[in-house]
Amino acid sequence: KQEVTQIPAALSVPEGENLVLNCSFTDSAIYNLQWFRQDPGKGLTSLLLIQSSQREQTSGRLNASLDKSSGRSTLYIAASQPGDSATYLCAVWSMGNDYKLSFGAGTTVTVRA
Amino acid sequence: DAGITQSPRHKVTETGTPVTLRCHQTENHRYMYWYRQDPGHGLRLIHYSYGVKDTDKGEVSDGYSVSRSKTEDFLLTLESATSSQTSVYFCAISEFQGSNQPQHFGDGTRLSIL
Repeated sequence: KQEVTQIPAALSVPEGENLVLNCSFTDSAIYNLQWFRQDPGKGLTSLLLIQSSQREQTSGRLNASLDKSSGRSTLYIAASQPGDSATYLCAVWSMGNDYKLSFGAGTTVTVRA
Repeated sequence: DAGITQSPRHKVTETGTPVTLRCHQTENHRYMYWYRQDPGHGLRLIHYSYGVKDTDKGEVSDGYSVSRSKTEDFLLTLESATSSQTSVYFCAISEFQGSNQPQHFGDGTRLSIL
């Protein structure tokens, strides 16, 4: 069974600092890994999707890397802003689980002005 | 944002009563999913649908049933609600089951069972 872990559970940084969020998974046989953002009382917004054949994806200030062999992904957010405060979740789509995403519990980020 | 509407957004009900949650999409996507989100567990898949009248169980399906009579609607039913089913429920959709296709989520239904 695929297990996805996100450490730390919470993170507080001053504005302008770079954010580094970690995600690890136990089974490297995956189709893709996705990073989502969740604001309080809201659903999940897809940020980046990395296919299993890719090493990284970038969108604006966001960069996500994937090391499938070690079961790790890192989301980098450059020059953090208070508007980046949210919970960030990673999810993997494992081979053998045709329709199932396995989610981590998330990292809650607070960016202090 | 993907056109996904969940209703109701909030509901409080009593143990033993039936509850139906609705997910409506305007994207004409084939795949629809119901998740529940609980502290410390992340999101867990309850049921999913891969077409009209085609559904299957996820990892936490006990106590839940689903129906999909139209492409745009996916209903989740708790036949006899229990306190352990207090949670936030999310509907998601995706167009394809390809490796480059993200899922898009609704805003959730907060369900409290007393």
